[in-house]
Amino acid sequence: EIVLTQSPGTLSLSPGERATLSCRASQSLSSGYLAWYQQKPGQAPRLLIYGASSRATGIPDRFSGSGSGTDFTLSISRLEPEDFAVYYCQHYGSSRGTFGHGTKVEIK
Amino acid sequence: QVQLVQSGAEVKKPGASVKVSCKASGYIFTGYYMHWVRQAPGQGLEWMGWINPNSGVTDSAQKFQGRVTMARDTSDSTAYMELYGLRSDDTAVYYCARGGYSGFDYLEYWGQGARVTVSS
Repeated sequence: EIVLTQSPGTLSLSPGERATLSCRASQSLSSGYLAWYQQKPGQAPRLLIYGASSRATGIPDRFSGSGSGTDFTLSISRLEPEDFAVYYCQHYGSSRGTFGHGTKVEIK
Repeated sequence: QVQLVQSGAEVKKPGASVKVSCKASGYIFTGYYMHWVRQAPGQGLEWMGWINPNSGVTDSAQKFQGRVTMARDTSDSTAYMELYGLRSDDTAVYYCARGGYSGFDYLEYWGQGARVTVSS
C-alpha cells in the first residue's frame, strides 16, 4: 500500500507570499494519479489539482501542481486570504484512494 | 449542476450500525463511481471505499472490510453506506464523493457530509 507523506505539517505565511507544499509517495506513482484538495473548517474538501498538474474547473491559476515519480508539489504563487486552509494530496491510481495527512497553511 | 445531498446527523450507541445516504442529481448516476471518505474530529481524510452504481460492485479499504456495506438505488439516484459494530473511534463526518468512470479517479464533487457520533 502506498503511503503519502506531506510536509510541512504547518506552514505559516503572510498574504501575498508564495506557498510550497510537498507530498512524497512511498513508491513511484508512475501513472501520475495524484490529486490535491483544499479544505476549510466546516466544509467538504474541494478538488484543486488532478493528474499531478491539471487544475480543476474554476480553480485560479495561482494554484499549480508539479512533480512525478515519488515527489509532488502544490504551489500557491501569491496567497490570498481565502487560501488559508488545510491541503491534502491523494493517490487515486490503485483503486483504493490514499490521502496524505495534510498541510495546514495558516496566517503568520 | 452536480449535487450530492447527504442525510442528516446521527447519534448511535456503541455496537449499533448507521446508514448514510447520498442523493445525486445533475448527472447520470450510473455513469460515475461513488466513493465514501470519512474525517474524524480534528483529523485528516480517510478513504473508505467505492461503489460502481451501474453494476453494484464495491471495493473498500482493508480496515473496513466486513464492517461496511455500500449499496445504491438507481431508481432514486441514491448511494448508501452502512457501517456496523460502531465504536467511539467511528465518530466522524462521512462524505460521499463522485469519482470517475472507474475506481481509479479523483473526487471532483463532494456531499456536504453527515456527522455520525458514537457515544454511550
